[in-house]
Amino acid sequence: QLQLQESGPGLVKPSETLSLTCTVSGGSISSSSYYWGWIRQPPGKGLEWIGSIYYSGSTYYNPSLKSRVTISVDTSKNQFSLKLSSVTAADTAVYYCARHVRDIVVALGWFDPWGQGTLVTVSS
Amino acid sequence: EIVMTQSPATLSVSPGERATLSCRASQSVSSNLAWYQQKPGQAPRLLIYGASTRATGIPARFSGSGSGTEFTLTISSLQSEDFAVYYCQQYNNWPEAFGPGTKVDIK
Repeated sequence: QLQLQESGPGLVKPSETLSLTCTVSGGSISSSSYYWGWIRQPPGKGLEWIGSIYYSGSTYYNPSLKSRVTISVDTSKNQFSLKLSSVTAADTAVYYCARHVRDIVVALGWFDPWGQGTLVTVSS
Repeated sequence: EIVMTQSPATLSVSPGERATLSCRASQSVSSNLAWYQQKPGQAPRLLIYGASTRATGIPARFSGSGSGTEFTLTISSLQSEDFAVYYCQQYNNWPEAFGPGTKVDIK
């Protein structure tokens, strides 16, 4: 059974860079069928897709965050990572990683399964 | 950019009753729509993709319908474990976008 687990600091100072890692177990991140994505959820609010990566390193990002986001992959460790720069209080959220299942026709898709999420608070 | 809306924001239903949740897209997304369930303190769980295909392990009481801009998630007979927030997500156009959610609570 595929499982994903987020890890990283729970507190980041304003203007600094948020860094998180997602470890995939029970399956290979190098599967040709899937992308791997990051989604966030501010406390009490809805979901926002951040970006996704293929095992080859190909990425695509939400344009609203693109200037601050970098997603990378380490296939040797079966992990992918998120970096979000110049954070503010508005970036406080639960950050989820998930397998991004892309529809063959439209090349976009849904998220399944998800990691349990990790709360990152931006505060001095 | 496609904007997703959901109605109602909150739906109060008695156990055993039917719940009907709506999702609307600002432009056509064909059948490229997914539904998720999120319980407090948990990650979202995929229920439906392709507007009407149940994900693995999802009970038959959950059904999805619609295409274009109007979609519906129906829970035929609400069980206690179904009280949660439900989100729709379009994946027809980049960027993929979620709706604001519908909370289903106990009447």
